[in-house]
Amino acid sequence: AQSVTQLDSHVSVSEGTPVLLRCNYSSSYSPSLFWYVQHPNKGLQLLLKYTSAATLVKGINGFEAEFKKSETSFHLTKPSAHMSDAAEYFCVVTFNNAGNMLTFGGGTRLMVKP
Amino acid sequence: KAGVTQTPRYLIKTRGQQVTLSCSPISGHRSVSWYQQTPGQGLQFLFEYFSETQRNKGNFPGRFSGRQFSNSRSEMNVSTLELGDSALYLCASRPPGLNTDTQYFGPGTRLTVL
Repeated sequence: AQSVTQLDSHVSVSEGTPVLLRCNYSSSYSPSLFWYVQHPNKGLQLLLKYTSAATLVKGINGFEAEFKKSETSFHLTKPSAHMSDAAEYFCVVTFNNAGNMLTFGGGTRLMVKP
Repeated sequence: KAGVTQTPRYLIKTRGQQVTLSCSPISGHRSVSWYQQTPGQGLQFLFEYFSETQRNKGNFPGRFSGRQFSNSRSEMNVSTLELGDSALYLCASRPPGLNTDTQYFGPGTRLTVL
C-alpha cells in the first residue's frame, strides 16, 4: 500500500528557533515528493519539490527538505522560524503508478510563538 | 501569468440541491485536478481531467462528477448534496510535459451544506 504520514499534527516553536516537520512515505514505487503550505482561508502554495537531482532540496522562504531513501523520509526544516510561517504544512507524494494523483499527509499545523 | 482561479469562492446550499463549481487553470495548462478538503478526512483526490477526458478518479460516489472544456476550464458538479459534502474544494492545474508532476492550486471554493 502507498501512503504518506506526517508524524506530528501540531508543532509549536518560538520565533527564531529551528523548525522540523516530519514526513514518512510508504511505497513500492519511486515517488515524487512535495511540501505545500496552506495559510488560513487560502489555497495550497508549493514550498519545494524533490526532483532526484539532489537529496537536499531548497525551497521558498528559507525552507528545505532532505530526502532519505533508506528511511523513506522527507522532513521539512527551517533554521529560524518567523511569525509569518504559522500555517498548515502538507507533505505530498505522487507515485509512478498513480498518474498525477497526489496523496496528501494529514498535515502539520505550525504555531510560532513570539 | 495569472494563477488558477476558482468561482465562486463561497457557496451555501441546502441538502438535496446540486452545485456546480468552476476552475480556470493557468494559461497553457491542460491538466486539471480536483480535491476535497475536510477537517475529518483531510485532502482527498476527486478526479483529473486532461484534454477534456477524465484520466483518474478518486473514491467518491457518482454524485460527484466533472467535465473539462476545450479551453481547459473545468467544472465539477455535486448532485443531491449531503451535509458531509461541506468542504473546501480545491482545483489544481499542471503544466504540459512528460516530467511535470507539480500541481498549482487555486484558492478553493468553500461549500457549506445546511
